[in-house]
Amino acid sequence: QVQLQQSGAELVKPGSSVKISCKASGYTFTSYDMHWIKQQPGNGLEWIGWIYPGNGNTKYNQKFNGKATLTADKSSSTAYMQLSSLTSEDSAVYFCARLGYNSGYYFDYWGQGVMVTVSS
Amino acid sequence: DIQMTQSPASLSASLEEIVTITCKASQGIDDYLSWYQQKPGKSPQLLIYDATSLADGVPSRFSGSRSGTQYSLKISRPQVDDSGIYYCLQSYSTPPTFGAGTKLELK
Repeated sequence: QVQLQQSGAELVKPGSSVKISCKASGYTFTSYDMHWIKQQPGNGLEWIGWIYPGNGNTKYNQKFNGKATLTADKSSSTAYMQLSSLTSEDSAVYFCARLGYNSGYYFDYWGQGVMVTVSS
Repeated sequence: DIQMTQSPASLSASLEEIVTITCKASQGIDDYLSWYQQKPGKSPQLLIYDATSLADGVPSRFSGSRSGTQYSLKISRPQVDDSGIYYCLQSYSTPPTFGAGTKLELK
């Protein structure tokens, strides 16, 4: 069965960076886009960007240009997101989600989420 | 960016009711619309994709429909376990955008 297993919670200092992971299993990792979504406490969902692990192509929400960097390691079927120059506005839960396709596109499987807390 | 206006923000319903949640797109999205349920401390789960198709394992009391650029999620005779926050998502254009969410409480 498809599973997306994310890394554990992070407590990081303002101005630093953090790299979180999303390990995929149960499907061909290189055949599906992996997306990342942000959810601030009590808030809705915001799309960050996607990576296609097959060739490393990426696309970002303009709002996250320079903030988020997406990479993928085909050998371990793991997608990564690095967040840089962290501020309190980056404190949130971050999800990875696989993009499914039928006639349209949708997120058919999600990781459990990683809570990132930015605090001195 | 395409705006998804979701309503209501919250509702309380009985187990005998039909619950309807709507999302209106700011422009046509060609049925690139999906619905998700999120429970506290959990990730969103896919309910409906392509506006009207039921995701695997989702009970048939959930259904999706469209009228113009307004999309609806209907829950017929909801169960207590259907409590949570519901989101719509348009994936017609980049960036994909979510509705603000509807918090459903069953009484």
